[in-house]
Amino acid sequence: ETGVTQSPTHLIKTRGQQVTLRCSSQSGHNTVSWYQQALGQGPQFIFQYYREEENGRGNFPPRFSGLQFPNYSSELNVNALELDDSALYLCASSFRSGRATEQFFGPGTRLTVL
Amino acid sequence: GEDVEQSLFLSVREGDSSVINCTYTDSSSTYLYWYKQEPGAGLQLLTYIFSNMDMKQDQRLTVLLNKKDKHLSLRIADTQTGDSAIYFCAEINNNAGNMLTFGGGTRLMVKP
Repeated sequence: ETGVTQSPTHLIKTRGQQVTLRCSSQSGHNTVSWYQQALGQGPQFIFQYYREEENGRGNFPPRFSGLQFPNYSSELNVNALELDDSALYLCASSFRSGRATEQFFGPGTRLTVL
Repeated sequence: GEDVEQSLFLSVREGDSSVINCTYTDSSSTYLYWYKQEPGAGLQLLTYIFSNMDMKQDQRLTVLLNKKDKHLSLRIADTQTGDSAIYFCAEINNNAGNMLTFGGGTRLMVKP
């Protein structure tokens, strides 16, 4: 059973650019959540995808968008990058069952915006 | 909105017990979690507790939940240098989506 994987591991962009981050969920999981972790802080929820639809969103502007594919992998897209978007972006996969949600995290993508 | 608070730092000696504390504000929290993050890595799920339980033990880990005071703790017995990491507590309210709300993390330093 493979765990959650993310690509790329590191990325450097400049202000105003666009970025796409990718996540492959753990085998058997149908839900993907994305979190942003700024340096020295806890992760903040961006949004969640279930059955290829957005299923909850945190306090992030519309320039943060996502997709989930039929194989449950997911992308996070950020347009018009700002310096404050520099962070570790974490993807978590889970199996939505109505009971305990064990969310398993990938290693993250470290995004630096210059 | 919901808020989760943790102390910033804890230092213990190898072999001692560590107790990491967390408070939260959402009285409708369904589950509460402890995650571990090592430098440059993602989050590792350590354990979680259902909100109608008051204790859960898993090998060296003991979770205590005081729902009245909205206080959660993680006790690590016989702390080892490999336990040095940042520990995050998080809560989820299944009636308000499946988003985890995290605290700011407690950095645990284990001295030999």
